[in-house]
Amino acid sequence: DAGVIQSPRHEVTEMGQEVTLRCKPISGHDYLFWYRQTMMRGLELLIYFNNNVPIDDSGMPEDRFSAKMPNASFSTLKIQPSEPRDSAVYFCASRGQGLGRNEQFFGPGTRLTVL
Amino acid sequence: DAKTTQPNSMESNEEEPVHLPCNHSTISGTDYIHWYRQLPSQGPEYVIHGLTSNVNNRMASLAIAEDRKSSTLILHRATLRDAAVYYCILRDAVDGGSNYKLTFGKGTLLTVNP
Repeated sequence: DAGVIQSPRHEVTEMGQEVTLRCKPISGHDYLFWYRQTMMRGLELLIYFNNNVPIDDSGMPEDRFSAKMPNASFSTLKIQPSEPRDSAVYFCASRGQGLGRNEQFFGPGTRLTVL
Repeated sequence: DAKTTQPNSMESNEEEPVHLPCNHSTISGTDYIHWYRQLPSQGPEYVIHGLTSNVNNRMASLAIAEDRKSSTLILHRATLRDAAVYYCILRDAVDGGSNYKLTFGKGTLLTVNP
């Protein structure tokens, strides 16, 4: 398996623009997680899904952020409109379900810069 | 959420053992202890996890205190590639099953000297 795939790897945009980050989890994994990492705040969980259904979105900072998982192999995190304070590395991770499937696999991340 | 306390940084020499401590005095009886690490410019990766008994795998060992209020991640022979931020995390189980999330703290930055 290729692991968790994220695109784009780097994104530079201007304030006010819409940004869409994409994630393909590992095949067969039931859980998908979106994290954000900054120097100031560390690694924060934004939202996670189980079988394509959002379970906990309490980490989503505000209404400008939205996440969807239309099927088991694809998820998006959208920021509209983007602001400079959204600049961060965004990680997607996936995990299986059940006994012995506790390992969470992270993607390489998307580095977002909002000017 | 049960919280963990780790030193901000530690230093080690190559090919020597490293003991990374973690305090979790408010751990509950059903909380698992997870360790992840993050190498520079990469996403975090799983290292090991345990509940009560000590655990070993190809990457490391996890020693858990008898009262479970602390644990130690042991790298038996540190290499330069082990330089990373190491996170000790208590599993936050929403319903005691698979619906749990991991809350990352600031971790310990491990420097390995050649």
